Amino acid sequence: ETGVTQSPTHLIKTRGQQVTLRCSSQSGHNTVSWYQQALGQGPQFIFQYYREEENGRGNFPPRFSGLQFPNYSSELNVNALELDDSALYLCASSSDGVYEQYFGPGTRLTVT
Amino acid sequence: GQQVMQIPQYQHVQEGEDFTTYCNSSTTLSNIQWYKQRPGGHPVFLIQLVKSGEVKKQKRLTFQFGEAKKNSSLHITATQTTDVGTYFCAGRVDSSYKLIFGSGTRLLVRP
Repeated sequence: ETGVTQSPTHLIKTRGQQVTLRCSSQSGHNTVSWYQQALGQGPQFIFQYYREEENGRGNFPPRFSGLQFPNYSSELNVNALELDDSALYLCASSSDGVYEQYFGPGTRLTVT
Repeated sequence: GQQVMQIPQYQHVQEGEDFTTYCNSSTTLSNIQWYKQRPGGHPVFLIQLVKSGEVKKQKRLTFQFGEAKKNSSLHITATQTTDVGTYFCAGRVDSSYKLIFGSGTRLLVRP
């Protein structure tokens, strides 16, 4: 069984740029959620994708967008990066009707 | 908006002492989950509680869900150095898929 993987591990971007983060869900999982975790804080829900459709969204602006592909992998896109977007971005996968989420190792994004 | 508060923010204990973290929600939760995040790591699922007043045990860990389904606690008996990390509660409201995380309690254990 393959766990949740994310790429890249670390990323440094400049304010105003755009970034794409990637996530491969655990084998057999059809749901992916994305979270932003600032230093010393709990993860904040960005959105969730279920079978390629956005299934729910947290309090994040539209410049945060995502995709889920037929193989259930997912992308998080952030446009017009701001300094406050610097954080650990986590994706978590789960399967139908099971609320337990399996987190990936995260992507550390630094915006300068 | 919906909030989940956790206390204390930090707890520094001597190995062998007990530890408890408390979680309180501003709204009634449909269920609550607990996660552990080691330093530099990612959250790892520990348990889910669904029923009012539910109590579950995992070896030295005891989890409780309040009668009103607005609060929860995690108690660790006789802490060990391997218990070091940040413990998060995370709740869901109604049938929403949105998981609301608490701010976490960071546990440090002196050997």
